[in-house]
Amino acid sequence: EVQLVQSGPEVKKPGESLKISCQGSGYRFTDYWIAWVRQMPGKGLELMGILFGGNSETKYSPSFQGQVTISADKSITTAYLQWNILKASDSAMFYCARVGRDIVTGYLNTVDYWGQGTLVSVSS
Amino acid sequence: QSALTQPRSVSGSPGQPVTISCTGTSSDVGGYNYVSWYQQYPDKAPRLIIYDVNKRPSGIPDRFSGSKSDNTAFLTISMLQAEDEADYYCYSYTGSFFVFGTGTPVTVL
Repeated sequence: EVQLVQSGPEVKKPGESLKISCQGSGYRFTDYWIAWVRQMPGKGLELMGILFGGNSETKYSPSFQGQVTISADKSITTAYLQWNILKASDSAMFYCARVGRDIVTGYLNTVDYWGQGTLVSVSS
Repeated sequence: QSALTQPRSVSGSPGQPVTISCTGTSSDVGGYNYVSWYQQYPDKAPRLIIYDVNKRPSGIPDRFSGSKSDNTAFLTISMLQAEDEADYYCYSYTGSFFVFGTGTPVTVL
């Protein structure tokens, strides 16, 4: 059974740093991309970036480039989302999700499994 | 890459069909048969209900179906049930990345 298990909720102050995690199991971590998705309160899903588990190649959405860092440790099948300097506007729910690929074309055809989400609250 | 456009809300009575649209461009929805739909209940993670335009994952009821015409994809719930009240999001591959739709809350009257 494919599972993505995320780290617990975080309460931080502006200016602090944070790294949240997402551990995959039940599938070959190195064969898939992992996506990080932000959902601000009452808002929609926003793709932040994706990372390939095999070599940690990373792609960021323009809105999030330079704002966060996505990384992974494939030895423990875990992906990370990191902030160096948090802002109050970073408060949101963050989901990791597995990105599927069409086995013929290699295109990213769907996001099929999701973590349970990590709620990040940033307030002074 | 701009979010795909979905209606701000959709509603229907139990047993009636409802359809949600998802409009993009020839660079995403119109260019690839890689459209997915997700259902999200409040404070829950999204769940995949349609992928590759019209395929259902195991366990998804057959009252959910997907289609596409040009740059617009559609999710149809053929016989609306109370438990279908949720937010729905579309997704499309964009050539090197992907993008979500703006989301549509479905209300069961």
